[in-house]
Amino acid sequence: GDSVTQMEGPVTLSEEAFLTINCTYTATGYPSLFWYVQYPGEGLQLLLKATKADDKGSNKGFEATYRKETTSFHLEKGSVQVSDSAVYFCALSDVGWGKIIFGSGTRLSIRP
Amino acid sequence: SAVISQKPSRDICQRGTSLTIQCQVDSQVTMMFWYRQQPGQSLTLIATANQGSEATYESGFVIDKFPISRPNLTFSTLTVSNMSPEDSSIYLCSVGGSDRSNYGYTFGSGTRLTVV
Repeated sequence: GDSVTQMEGPVTLSEEAFLTINCTYTATGYPSLFWYVQYPGEGLQLLLKATKADDKGSNKGFEATYRKETTSFHLEKGSVQVSDSAVYFCALSDVGWGKIIFGSGTRLSIRP
Repeated sequence: SAVISQKPSRDICQRGTSLTIQCQVDSQVTMMFWYRQQPGQSLTLIATANQGSEATYESGFVIDKFPISRPNLTFSTLTVSNMSPEDSSIYLCSVGGSDRSNYGYTFGSGTRLTVV
């Protein structure tokens, strides 16, 4: 069945460092891909999405490109801030009318 | 995209009791989904609720433990029955349908359940 594999955490970086969180997927069709963020004590927020191959999703300085050939959707940010400290989930939606399958999550901590 | 209201936002319950969580959507949607997020874990789909038919449960989840109602196209409830401390989690709902461009935008704010 469909699945998402993402980089194990926790990840700790210094402020202004470059961030990459790796995500790969397995799907039978042509899924939509998502990154969600969950800040401490808060609900789940959609960070960005891409619906077809070569699409680039972007938001708040974060980017991810839908790579069908490598079945990947890696999250990147050029310069992280302390406020980016959160848990990040990679996810996909394939068949199933909106059912979302989540990766295990990556906890990111940014130190000043 | 749809706006989802979920309640209660949190509750502390005694073991052996049941809690019903409500999910209200501001527009008609074909599918509603219920997820569980155990402490420090990712989200796992519990079931899919389609109006007018019985919910479809994922492996590891059963109707007796998590009965779901879907009386109309804007509302659903999830009941956590005969609770134990292992049921302490955040429960969230989401929506879907035939328009794939709307997938994934919105989740309810979640119900944080603690069973003591």
